Formats: sequence, C-alpha cells, structure tokens
Amino acid sequence: EPEVTQTPSHQVTQMGQEVILRCVPISNHLYFYWYRQILGQKVEFLVSFYNNEISEKSEIFDDQFSVERPDGSNFTLKIRSTKLEDSAMYFCASIFRSSYNSPLHFGNGTRLTVT
Amino acid sequence: DQQVKQNSPSLSVQEGRISILNCDYTNSMFDYFLWYKKYPAEGPTFLISISSIKDKNEDGRFTVFLNKSAKHLSLHIVPSQPGDSAVYFCAASADNRGSTLGRLYFGRGTQLTVWP
Repeated sequence: EPEVTQTPSHQVTQMGQEVILRCVPISNHLYFYWYRQILGQKVEFLVSFYNNEISEKSEIFDDQFSVERPDGSNFTLKIRSTKLEDSAMYFCASIFRSSYNSPLHFGNGTRLTVT
Repeated sequence: DQQVKQNSPSLSVQEGRISILNCDYTNSMFDYFLWYKKYPAEGPTFLISISSIKDKNEDGRFTVFLNKSAKHLSLHIVPSQPGDSAVYFCAASADNRGSTLGRLYFGRGTQLTVWP
C-alpha cells in the first residue's frame, strides 16, 4: 500500500537555526498537510496546501513557517529560526481529493528537537 | 483549545472483551468524526469515520456511535485483541462550505492496552 514518507525521522537543531522537514506524499494525492504533536499534547493542525498554495493555516503557522512543493513529489515544511517550543513530532499527511470519503494518510513523522 | 476531549487517558481490557473508547466535543459545527490509531514511532492510521447524518457506522470489529444531542461519540472494539493495543485518537472536522477537508481537531488520545 502506498505510504507517505517523511525524512529525517529525527532532527536535532540549535535554537535559531533553520530546519527543513521533508515529505513525499502518496503519488496521486492532491492535498497536503502538516500537523504537529508536542510531547504529551494533542495533534494540532498547522497548514493545508493545494494547487501550489496554502488553503488554510492555523494560528500556530506564523511567519517563521513556510511550506513548499518544489517538484512533483516533495512537500517541505521550513522553520526559519527555530525556538525551543518548536520541539515536537511533525506529521505530513495527504489525501487524493477533498471529500469525506478520503481520510488523511499520515507519514510516520519527524521528531524535531531544538536545543 | 478543548473542542475535542478524550477524558480517559488509558483503558485496560482483557482479550476477547469489548473496548469502549469515548470522545466528547463542544463545537456544534463539527459534522464529520474519525478515529485514528497510533502505534509508537508511527503516524496516526485511519480506523473508522462517521458523518453527522448517521448515528452508527460499523466496520468489522469496530463500530462508532454518534450521539449528536450529547455531542458524544464512542468507539467499540469487539472482540478486543492484543494487537489493538495502541493510542486511539478521536478527531472531528467542520464542513467549511466545501473547502478542503483536512483541518482535523484531535483529542489527546486514549492508550488502550489489551491483555491476554
């Protein structure tokens, strides 16, 4: 079964550094998402992306965050200047189409540790 | 943000018995509800969903019940198996006039342990 692939599985970075988290969504999917889960807290929506633009973003997704689909397969999340509170599991997800019959397919996540 | 609540952080059930996981929500605009299962070091995996026009949806050993008046849903697993041991997340979504489904609001999850 096709999978959403995320790399790296674990990223350690120093506060203030830029980090790029990478995702390869399922190949025929058209809608892409980033979620995150801070340890012990809920899974939270960050952003949705369709047709090369952001569809919706949460209040968490401020100017320090950006997303890009640089080619036909990758979907990236960039954090420009990481803060300690950015430490979390970041999950990429995708769906083929926007309908209630298309539940999100999540990747296994990237654990980001900001020191 | 407490729009979706799972008040039981953990549940322990004997193999073969029924597991009942509960979820409450506060936003009356939610009209689609999902359950995801998560194993350690993996992403959430979709399990079962229900639209607000229904009150029950069944898929094999898994049944989700929705009580809209109480803003409550539950997931029943019967019979429970040791392989069902995982964290179960309840999630909800509101139809934004046909805009992208994808902004899900998650509960904190319930750790289910099924023992032999």
